Amino acid sequence: DTGVSQNPRHKITKRGQNVTFRCDPISEHNRLYWYRQTLGQGPEFLTYFQNEAQLEKSRLLSDRFSAERPKGSFSTLEIQRTEQGDSAMYLCASSPRDGYEQYFGPGTRLTVT
Amino acid sequence: AQKITQTQPGMFVQEKEAVTLDCTYDTSDPSYGLFWYKQPSSGEMIFLIYQGSYDQQNATEGRYSLNFQKARKSANLVISASQLGDSAMYFCAMRESFAAGNKLTFGGGTRVLVKP
Repeated sequence: DTGVSQNPRHKITKRGQNVTFRCDPISEHNRLYWYRQTLGQGPEFLTYFQNEAQLEKSRLLSDRFSAERPKGSFSTLEIQRTEQGDSAMYLCASSPRDGYEQYFGPGTRLTVT
Repeated sequence: AQKITQTQPGMFVQEKEAVTLDCTYDTSDPSYGLFWYKQPSSGEMIFLIYQGSYDQQNATEGRYSLNFQKARKSANLVISASQLGDSAMYFCAMRESFAAGNKLTFGGGTRVLVKP
């Protein structure tokens, strides 16, 4: 399977705990995006990488959130001191250098209890 | 103002019939693009079709076609010959050239249920 993969698919955590999600983009794609989707809504942009450089962060991304993409390959999204409002589906997408289409992974569903 | 508006929260369609999903957008960028994605209950966003603002012809991909009316700022998705597997949420999204990395702005979605 050469699509975008995300791990874990589901994560249940207690409020105050830290969580980390991983995204593996399509191998030749240099652009990588994180989005958050709450129930009944469309996805909202969180952050964007071109290769290893994080070029934009949404104001939705509070200082409890951090994302990295070392070596321009996989990416991680960490949430520190989780809150119930962080419960959502976290979607990763990648895009090729010469195209506009973004291909999404299956998402990580986070539930904060 | 909302950048992407999908006014139909839910629709029923009879199997084998066509259905049109509405999408209107708002941008001052002359170079933009419009996407439609399908999201089944499994959660994955599946890319369906793309229309660039300078494309002269409406985009088509199999049973999907995009009715692009630039002056009206609308980009409606038409699904022909609906199948039971078309039951899903459908999202319209826009990229703007001045947005870093062509990030997408999504509408609120339309839920489609295909009846046998």
